[in-house]
Amino acid sequence: KAGVTQTPRYLIKTRGQQVTLSCSPISGHRSVSWYQQTPGQGLQFLFEYFSETQRNKGNFPGRFSGRQFSNSRSEMNVSTLELGDSALYLCATSPGGRAVEQYFGPGTRLTVT
Amino acid sequence: AQTVTQSQPEMSVQEAETVTLSCTYDTSENNYYLFWYKQPPSRQMILVIRQEAYKQQNATENRFSVNFQKAAKSFSLKISDSQLGDTAMYFCAFMKQSGGTSYGKLTFGQGTILTVHP
Repeated sequence: KAGVTQTPRYLIKTRGQQVTLSCSPISGHRSVSWYQQTPGQGLQFLFEYFSETQRNKGNFPGRFSGRQFSNSRSEMNVSTLELGDSALYLCATSPGGRAVEQYFGPGTRLTVT
Repeated sequence: AQTVTQSQPEMSVQEAETVTLSCTYDTSENNYYLFWYKQPPSRQMILVIRQEAYKQQNATENRFSVNFQKAAKSFSLKISDSQLGDTAMYFCAFMKQSGGTSYGKLTFGQGTILTVHP
């Protein structure tokens, strides 16, 4: 089976712009979780989607949003980018409804200038 | 809220030797999962081992084993016969077992950088 894919792998944006990141899960996986990884804050949970519904959300401002499509692919969007949004964004997918065992993608490295 | 603490920012070990990484956590939950993930320089997160809190037996995966002490809220990872490919950042992670706000949410520690020397 192909692994989790994330596109793009690298992205450079300017403050104030918006960005959309994509995550394609392993075939059969219906849960997609998103995480932000920074040197200062470590790995932080953004949100989780299952069957096109957001089931769980972390403590991030409303500028961070996401969605999931009927084929389980997920996108996350960050509007009005700030310098502090520079991070590695990881998605993780899971086959089960409880989303316990998560398989991570390679990440998207976002740099905001 | 749950917290996960890894008190060793960096560790090193010689090839073929054994090393233990420490992790403690704080939770009021009785049912939960604990994990160790590995993140090599490629940044790809890889699941190393998983433990269900209701299981008394410590999980083992080949050269990797855990020492799970539920009362002490401790979850250490032992790597036997260390290999150069084990060089990576290791994260301890927690997930509640109950539904709702637990779905898909891993809470991670700050990580331990492990370097295996030849």
